[in-house]
Amino acid sequence: EVHLVESGGTLVQPGGSLRLSCAASGFAFSTYWMHWVRQAPGKGLVWVSRINRDETDTAYADSVKGRFTVSRDNVKNTLYLQMDGLRADDTAVYYCATTLTSRLRNALGYWGQGTPVTVSP
Amino acid sequence: QSVLTQPPSVSGTPGQRVSISCSGNTSNIATSSVHWYQQLPGSAPKLLIYNNYQRPSGVPDRFSASKSGTSASLAISGLQSDDESVYYCSSWDDTLSGVLFGGGTKLTVL
Repeated sequence: EVHLVESGGTLVQPGGSLRLSCAASGFAFSTYWMHWVRQAPGKGLVWVSRINRDETDTAYADSVKGRFTVSRDNVKNTLYLQMDGLRADDTAVYYCATTLTSRLRNALGYWGQGTPVTVSP
Repeated sequence: QSVLTQPPSVSGTPGQRVSISCSGNTSNIATSSVHWYQQLPGSAPKLLIYNNYQRPSGVPDRFSASKSGTSASLAISGLQSDDESVYYCSSWDDTLSGVLFGGGTKLTVL
């Protein structure tokens, strides 16, 4: 069974940094694209970033480009999101997600439970 | 950044059929598959439809979807009270080289 468990979310001051982790199990992690999606309180889903299987290709939403960095460790089966220069509008629950099958790149069939990030003085 | 447009809300009565539209452009829906998600309050999203019309294992056939040009739609037939949820469409965007979500549509079962 696929399990995705996010961690690292907490309260942080504006301008601060945070690294989120997503521990994956139950599937061949190194063969799947991985994504980060966030949801601000009471708002909709917003895609944040994605990374391909071997970390050679990444992409970011305009709102986080230059501030966030996605990476993965295919030995530890873990996805990361390094968040720098945090702003109040980065406050959200952050989900890691992966695709339904390894052949797909963005049909997000498996999601973690989310980790909350609050950016506030 | 959401350039996939959904109606904010739709409603229906038990047993009725409702549909939710999703409008995009030539950078996304016209050239990529559309996926649909259901999100119950306090829960992570659940993939409902992928590759325009395919249902993951366990999703009832009351849920169906289609795509034409730059638009897509999700249909729910035989509406049930526990279908009350927020539904999101999603597609790959070539300009972004990433994923777009629609703004979400809240379905109310009256």
